[in-house]
Amino acid sequence: GENVEQHPSTLSVQEGDSAVIKCTYSDSASNYFPWYKQELGKGPQLIIDIRSNVGEKKDQRIAVTLNKTAKHFSLHITETQPEDSAVYFCAAPNDYKLSFGAGTTVTVRA
Amino acid sequence: DAGITQSPRHKVTETGTPVTLRCHQTENHRYMYWYRQDPGHGLRLIHYSYGVKDTDKGEVSDGYSVSRSKTEDFLLTLESATSSQTSVYFCAISSGAPGETIYFGEGSWLTVV
Repeated sequence: GENVEQHPSTLSVQEGDSAVIKCTYSDSASNYFPWYKQELGKGPQLIIDIRSNVGEKKDQRIAVTLNKTAKHFSLHITETQPEDSAVYFCAAPNDYKLSFGAGTTVTVRA
Repeated sequence: DAGITQSPRHKVTETGTPVTLRCHQTENHRYMYWYRQDPGHGLRLIHYSYGVKDTDKGEVSDGYSVSRSKTEDFLLTLESATSSQTSVYFCAISSGAPGETIYFGEGSWLTVV
């Protein structure tokens, strides 16, 4: 099955700076990589995803890049704001399911 | 937000008692999942369903059973709750191809004392 590793486990950034979270996966056949944001006391929310036929996808201040050769993908948040403080999870397909990274707690300092 | 309702949202129960968590969806999606979330472990799959009466085990299925008698409902049962099952439980549904575009409910906080 798919094994997903996520780094770092915690990330503290100054408001306005960028944040980058990296994930690696093991199954070279994986072709879909979503990112979820989880706020305190809530369920994970899908914020962006990328499929293997593209190398980068952007949505306002959020972007995801994919390197299939190296089997890693990254989440980039630019111009961070206090509302970006949350736990972020990456994931990759595992048969009919998703395997998740362990999560990154992002704290944006004012 | 995806139409997913979990109940109860919070429950405290005693060791050895049975507990059932319910997930109800209004999206008519084929796939439904139960995950648990614990510090340091992220989200781990307990069981999932790919249709009415069609279920399969995930990576942490011991001590749990599931049932799906209707498309919209997916039940998770702890036959005899243990303290190690204290966790946050999330139901999820899939809108697209298997394993893709999974949407989560708001979670059920379970404490076993």
